Amino acid sequence: NAGVTQTPKFRVLKTGQSMTLLCAQDMNHEYMYWYRQDPGMGLRLIHYSVGEGTTAKGEVPDGYNVSRLKKQNFLLGLESAAPSQTSVYFCASSYSEGWGRGQPQHFGDGTRLSIL
Amino acid sequence: AQSVAQPEDQVNVAEGNPLTVKCTYSVSGNPYLFWYVQYPNRGLQFLLKYITGDNLVKGSYGFEAEFNKSQTSFHLKKPSALVSDSALYFCAVRDMDNFNKFYFGSGTKLNVKP
Repeated sequence: NAGVTQTPKFRVLKTGQSMTLLCAQDMNHEYMYWYRQDPGMGLRLIHYSVGEGTTAKGEVPDGYNVSRLKKQNFLLGLESAAPSQTSVYFCASSYSEGWGRGQPQHFGDGTRLSIL
Repeated sequence: AQSVAQPEDQVNVAEGNPLTVKCTYSVSGNPYLFWYVQYPNRGLQFLLKYITGDNLVKGSYGFEAEFNKSQTSFHLKKPSALVSDSALYFCAVRDMDNFNKFYFGSGTKLNVKP
């Protein structure tokens, strides 16, 4: 059981380049999330999805786009990378509250992205 | 607005001693609170949660947390620390206006010395 898998694990981009981060989960979770982690700031929610074909903005959505065409996959896109987007990106997934209150999130191991 | 605060960037304890990692919260209504642990170069792992009921909740790896409504706190505790407990710990709260969102604290680095 792989859980939540993120690809790639590392990437270096030049300013202005674009790229897509892939998140895949094999737990049949309804909810999926993208966070960024910066030193001293904890995790901040970028975008999230409550089901296939749905997405919504989190705290820091600017400069990012997402898509959830299949239930098991959640893609995060950077259209024109900027140095301020240098960060560690985490994907997470969880069951909906319909399966019981307080469903915890399951996290991938992150993608370390540097923008030069 | 919902938020959590972890007032200590770092906590140092000796192996075998009790440990406490502090978390305070600000939410409207009754909170859903969580603790996660992060080891180097890994994602966050769920430790425990408080939804309702007993104020002392038990979780993985011998950790427990005490919910205190009057002090709006949810401190993580362990009676006897292990060197292997050294990691980054995050407190989180579910947004009670939008159940699909979580807010995380800034994290506390726990160092357990042999």
